Amino acid sequence: ELKVEQNPLFLSMQEGKNYTIYCNYSTTSDRLYWYRQDPGKSLESLFVLLSNGAVKQEGRLMASLDTKARLSTLHITAAVHDLSATYFCAALSFYGGSQGNLIFGKGTKLSVKP
Amino acid sequence: KAGVTQTPRYLIKTRGQQVTLSCSPISGHRSVSWYQQTPGQGLQFLFEYFSETQRNKGNFPGRFSGRQFSNSRSEMNVSTLELGDSALYLCASSQGQLRTYEQYFGPGTRLTVT
Repeated sequence: ELKVEQNPLFLSMQEGKNYTIYCNYSTTSDRLYWYRQDPGKSLESLFVLLSNGAVKQEGRLMASLDTKARLSTLHITAAVHDLSATYFCAALSFYGGSQGNLIFGKGTKLSVKP
Repeated sequence: KAGVTQTPRYLIKTRGQQVTLSCSPISGHRSVSWYQQTPGQGLQFLFEYFSETQRNKGNFPGRFSGRQFSNSRSEMNVSTLELGDSALYLCASSQGQLRTYEQYFGPGTRLTVT
């Protein structure tokens, strides 16, 4: 059974600082996703990582994937207040003839303070 | 192209009642999945439909059911509501298998059970 663990669950950062969120998954998965969620809102897709060594960057966020270690990271560079949100990683799981479903981590609530 | 739409957006029900939530996928998308998000359990997969057939189901009691219509619209039903069913219910659609296609989330339905 695929399980996804994320840490830390809470992260308080100062503006301008760097930090990394870690996402471990328990069994092989074809894809790893990162989402952002603002309070009361739905999920906003940030990155989809497909293969070992994949690295994607968008603004101050960079995601990477190490399939051998079953680890993905979301690195935040020079944090700004607008990045305050909850970040989820999710791994793709398949069962039988399904189209696939996502197994989510618990989320990391990021608060960026001036 | 219109995104995934969910109705209603907010709902208040009393314990013991039943509720039906609706999801209209992006035009051309045949796969619809449902997820439940609660503060305690996080984001959990409920079920997935493709071409009117349930392909996979998460670990939820039989009170949770769903269906998909020939136009790919989907409904989920929760009978005999319990306080713990209070959650954000997210619907997501894709053209097909998630190894190939991206999944798009709707805005969610916020259900409150009193």
